[in-house]
Amino acid sequence: DAGITQSPRYKITETGRQVTLMCHQTWSHSYMFWYRQDLGHGLRLIYYSAAADITDKGEVPDGYVVSRSKTENFPLTLESATRSQTSVYFCASRDPVGTQYFGPGTRLLVL
Amino acid sequence: AQSVTQLDSHVSVSEGTPVLLRCNYSSSYSPSLFWYVQHPNKGLQLLLKYTSAATLVKGINGFEAEFKKSETSFHLTKPSAHMSDAAEYFCVVRRAAGNKLTFGGGTRVLVKP
Repeated sequence: DAGITQSPRYKITETGRQVTLMCHQTWSHSYMFWYRQDLGHGLRLIYYSAAADITDKGEVPDGYVVSRSKTENFPLTLESATRSQTSVYFCASRDPVGTQYFGPGTRLLVL
Repeated sequence: AQSVTQLDSHVSVSEGTPVLLRCNYSSSYSPSLFWYVQHPNKGLQLLLKYTSAATLVKGINGFEAEFKKSETSFHLTKPSAHMSDAAEYFCVVRRAAGNKLTFGGGTRVLVKP
Protein backbone atom coordinates (compact mmCIF):
# COMPACT_ATOMS: atom_id res chain seq x y z
CA ASP A 1 0.00 0.00 0.00
CA ALA A 2 1.17 3.50 -0.73
CA GLY A 3 1.87 5.83 2.14
CA ILE A 4 4.07 6.07 5.17
CA THR A 5 4.46 3.24 7.65
CA GLN A 6 6.26 2.86 10.94
CA SER A 7 7.43 -0.21 12.81
CA PRO A 8 7.13 -1.37 15.42
CA ARG A 9 3.90 0.29 16.50
CA TYR A 10 4.59 -0.46 20.16
CA LYS A 11 7.91 -1.12 21.89
CA ILE A 12 8.94 -1.71 25.47
CA THR A 13 12.64 -1.64 26.26
CA GLU A 14 14.97 -1.13 29.18
CA THR A 15 17.27 1.72 30.06
CA GLY A 16 20.59 1.44 28.28
CA ARG A 17 19.41 -0.72 25.40
CA GLN A 18 19.67 0.29 21.77
CA VAL A 19 16.38 0.67 19.94
CA THR A 20 15.72 1.36 16.27
CA LEU A 21 12.43 2.71 14.99
CA MET A 22 11.73 2.20 11.32
CA CYS A 23 10.00 4.50 8.86
CA HIS A 24 9.17 3.71 5.26
CA GLN A 25 7.44 5.82 2.62
CA THR A 26 6.35 4.86 -0.86
CA TRP A 27 5.96 8.35 -2.39
CA SER A 28 9.67 8.92 -3.10
CA HIS A 29 9.47 12.18 -1.15
CA SER A 30 12.88 13.79 -0.69
CA TYR A 31 12.28 15.15 2.79
CA MET A 32 11.58 13.00 5.82
CA PHE A 33 11.24 13.91 9.48
CA TRP A 34 11.17 12.41 12.96
CA TYR A 35 9.10 13.98 15.74
CA ARG A 36 8.33 13.04 19.30
CA GLN A 37 5.03 13.87 20.95
CA ASP A 38 4.86 14.42 24.69
CA LEU A 39 2.18 15.83 26.94
CA GLY A 40 2.80 19.50 27.49
CA HIS A 41 5.30 19.78 24.66
CA GLY A 42 3.29 19.00 21.55
CA LEU A 43 5.32 17.68 18.63
CA ARG A 44 9.02 18.41 18.57
CA LEU A 45 11.35 17.79 15.67
CA ILE A 46 14.21 15.38 16.39
CA TYR A 47 15.94 15.04 13.02
CA TYR A 48 15.15 15.52 9.38
CA SER A 49 16.61 14.51 6.05
CA ALA A 50 16.55 16.39 2.78
CA ALA A 51 17.61 13.41 0.67
CA ALA A 52 19.52 10.16 0.88
CA ASP A 53 22.72 10.64 2.89
CA ILE A 54 21.72 14.15 3.98
CA THR A 55 20.47 14.57 7.53
CA ASP A 56 20.25 17.45 9.97
CA LYS A 57 19.37 18.08 13.59
CA GLY A 58 16.04 19.38 14.71
CA GLU A 59 14.96 20.82 18.03
CA VAL A 60 15.71 17.83 20.31
CA PRO A 61 18.40 15.60 18.69
CA ASP A 62 20.39 14.55 21.77
CA GLY A 63 20.41 10.79 22.34
CA TYR A 64 19.21 9.97 18.82
CA VAL A 65 20.96 8.93 15.62
CA VAL A 66 19.49 8.77 12.12
CA SER A 67 20.60 7.47 8.76
CA ARG A 68 19.19 7.64 5.26
CA SER A 69 20.88 5.21 2.91
CA LYS A 70 17.75 4.92 0.74
CA THR A 71 15.18 7.56 -0.10
CA GLU A 72 12.28 5.48 1.16
CA ASN A 73 13.68 4.60 4.59
CA PHE A 74 14.58 6.82 7.53
CA PRO A 75 15.38 4.82 10.69
CA LEU A 76 15.74 6.48 14.08
CA THR A 77 18.07 4.87 16.63
CA LEU A 78 18.20 5.46 20.35
CA GLU A 79 21.77 4.37 21.08
CA SER A 80 21.27 3.98 24.84
CA ALA A 81 17.64 4.44 25.77
CA THR A 82 16.70 6.57 28.77
CA ARG A 83 13.38 6.91 30.59
CA SER A 84 13.05 10.45 29.27
CA GLN A 85 12.82 9.00 25.77
CA THR A 86 9.51 7.34 26.61
CA SER A 87 7.27 9.00 24.07
CA VAL A 88 5.24 8.61 20.90
CA TYR A 89 7.41 8.94 17.82
CA PHE A 90 6.06 10.09 14.48
CA CYS A 91 7.75 9.92 11.15
CA ALA A 92 6.67 12.23 8.33
CA SER A 93 7.52 12.91 4.72
CA ARG A 94 7.03 16.09 2.75
CA ASP A 95 5.53 16.40 -0.68
CA PRO A 96 6.99 18.77 -3.32
CA VAL A 97 4.66 21.63 -2.30
CA GLY A 98 5.61 21.40 1.35
CA THR A 99 2.82 19.46 2.99
CA GLN A 100 3.95 16.91 5.56
CA TYR A 101 2.23 13.54 5.89
CA PHE A 102 2.59 11.59 9.10
CA GLY A 103 2.92 7.92 9.87
CA PRO A 104 0.77 6.15 12.47
CA GLY A 105 3.36 6.52 15.23
CA THR A 106 5.42 4.27 17.48
CA ARG A 107 4.69 4.19 21.19
CA LEU A 108 7.94 3.61 23.06
CA LEU A 109 8.16 2.80 26.75
CA VAL A 110 11.59 2.78 28.37
CA LEU A 111 11.64 1.04 31.75
CA ALA B 1 10.21 33.49 14.37
CA GLN B 2 6.79 31.92 14.16
CA SER B 3 4.32 30.76 16.75
CA VAL B 4 0.84 29.30 16.93
CA THR B 5 -1.74 29.71 19.68
CA GLN B 6 -4.80 27.55 19.87
CA LEU B 7 -7.09 29.51 22.09
CA ASP B 8 -9.01 26.57 23.55
CA SER B 9 -7.39 23.45 24.95
CA HIS B 10 -10.78 21.70 25.14
CA VAL B 11 -14.04 22.19 23.24
CA SER B 12 -17.26 20.35 24.00
CA VAL B 13 -20.14 20.34 21.50
CA SER B 14 -23.33 18.41 21.01
CA GLU B 15 -23.73 16.21 17.99
CA GLY B 16 -25.29 18.16 15.13
CA THR B 17 -24.18 21.58 16.40
CA PRO B 18 -21.42 23.75 14.89
CA VAL B 19 -17.78 23.37 15.82
CA LEU B 20 -15.34 26.29 16.05
CA LEU B 21 -11.67 25.77 16.83
CA ARG B 22 -9.67 28.97 17.13
CA CYS B 23 -6.11 29.46 15.99
CA ASN B 24 -3.94 32.58 15.92
CA TYR B 25 -0.46 32.65 14.45
CA SER B 26 2.49 34.92 14.14
CA SER B 27 5.02 34.70 11.38
CA SER B 28 7.63 37.00 9.98
CA TYR B 29 7.04 35.63 6.51
CA SER B 30 4.09 34.68 4.37
CA PRO B 31 3.01 31.49 6.08
CA SER B 32 1.44 28.26 5.03
CA LEU B 33 -1.12 27.06 7.54
CA PHE B 34 -2.46 23.60 8.21
CA TRP B 35 -4.98 21.83 10.37
CA TYR B 36 -4.28 18.23 11.37
CA VAL B 37 -6.52 15.87 13.31
CA GLN B 38 -5.33 13.10 15.60
CA HIS B 39 -7.75 10.43 16.71
CA PRO B 40 -6.87 8.44 19.84
CA ASN B 41 -3.79 6.27 19.34
CA LYS B 42 -3.54 7.32 15.70
CA GLY B 43 -1.21 9.45 13.63
CA LEU B 44 -1.86 12.98 12.43
CA GLN B 45 -4.13 13.29 9.41
CA LEU B 46 -4.16 16.41 7.25
CA LEU B 47 -7.57 18.12 7.29
CA LEU B 48 -6.80 21.13 5.13
CA LYS B 49 -4.11 23.64 4.20
CA TYR B 50 -3.74 27.26 3.21
CA THR B 51 -0.89 28.16 0.87
CA SER B 52 -1.67 31.71 -0.31
CA ALA B 53 -4.44 30.84 -2.73
CA ALA B 54 -8.11 31.19 -1.71
CA THR B 55 -8.54 32.43 1.84
CA LEU B 56 -11.48 30.09 2.50
CA VAL B 57 -10.14 26.57 2.45
CA LYS B 58 -12.30 23.48 2.35
CA GLY B 59 -10.99 20.25 3.78
CA ILE B 60 -12.06 16.71 4.35
CA ASN B 61 -15.03 15.57 6.45
CA GLY B 62 -16.90 18.87 6.06
CA PHE B 63 -14.30 21.06 7.75
CA GLU B 64 -13.24 24.45 6.46
CA ALA B 65 -11.00 27.25 7.63
CA GLU B 66 -10.65 30.91 6.76
CA PHE B 67 -7.32 32.68 6.59
CA LYS B 68 -7.63 36.25 7.90
CA LYS B 69 -4.37 38.08 7.54
CA SER B 70 -5.58 41.21 9.33
CA GLU B 71 -6.50 39.15 12.38
CA THR B 72 -3.63 36.63 12.00
CA SER B 73 -6.18 33.89 12.45
CA PHE B 74 -6.96 30.56 10.83
CA HIS B 75 -10.03 29.26 12.63
CA LEU B 76 -11.44 25.82 11.81
CA THR B 77 -15.18 25.28 11.54
CA LYS B 78 -17.69 22.58 10.78
CA PRO B 79 -21.43 23.26 10.52
CA SER B 80 -22.58 20.05 12.18
CA ALA B 81 -20.46 17.92 14.50
CA HIS B 82 -20.45 14.15 14.24
CA MET B 83 -19.44 11.70 16.93
CA SER B 84 -16.48 10.69 14.79
CA ASP B 85 -15.11 14.25 15.06
CA ALA B 86 -14.06 13.60 18.65
CA ALA B 87 -10.28 13.93 18.45
CA GLU B 88 -7.43 16.35 19.01
CA TYR B 89 -6.86 19.06 16.44
CA PHE B 90 -3.59 20.84 15.74
CA CYS B 91 -3.09 24.14 13.99
CA VAL B 92 0.32 24.28 12.32
CA VAL B 93 2.26 27.07 10.63
CA ARG B 94 5.11 26.73 8.18
CA ARG B 95 7.16 29.51 6.73
CA ALA B 96 6.65 29.65 2.98
CA ALA B 97 9.23 27.46 1.22
CA GLY B 98 10.56 26.25 4.56
CA ASN B 99 10.48 22.91 6.36
CA LYS B 100 10.07 23.84 9.98
CA LEU B 101 6.57 23.24 11.28
CA THR B 102 5.41 25.02 14.40
CA PHE B 103 2.55 23.27 16.16
CA GLY B 104 -0.13 24.77 18.32
CA GLY B 105 -0.81 23.16 21.66
CA GLY B 106 -3.81 21.25 20.34
CA THR B 107 -7.55 21.40 20.99
CA ARG B 108 -9.29 18.32 22.25
CA VAL B 109 -12.86 18.06 20.94
CA LEU B 110 -15.54 16.17 22.82
CA VAL B 111 -18.80 15.45 21.01
CA LYS B 112 -21.81 14.72 23.20
CA PRO B 113 -24.72 12.66 21.88
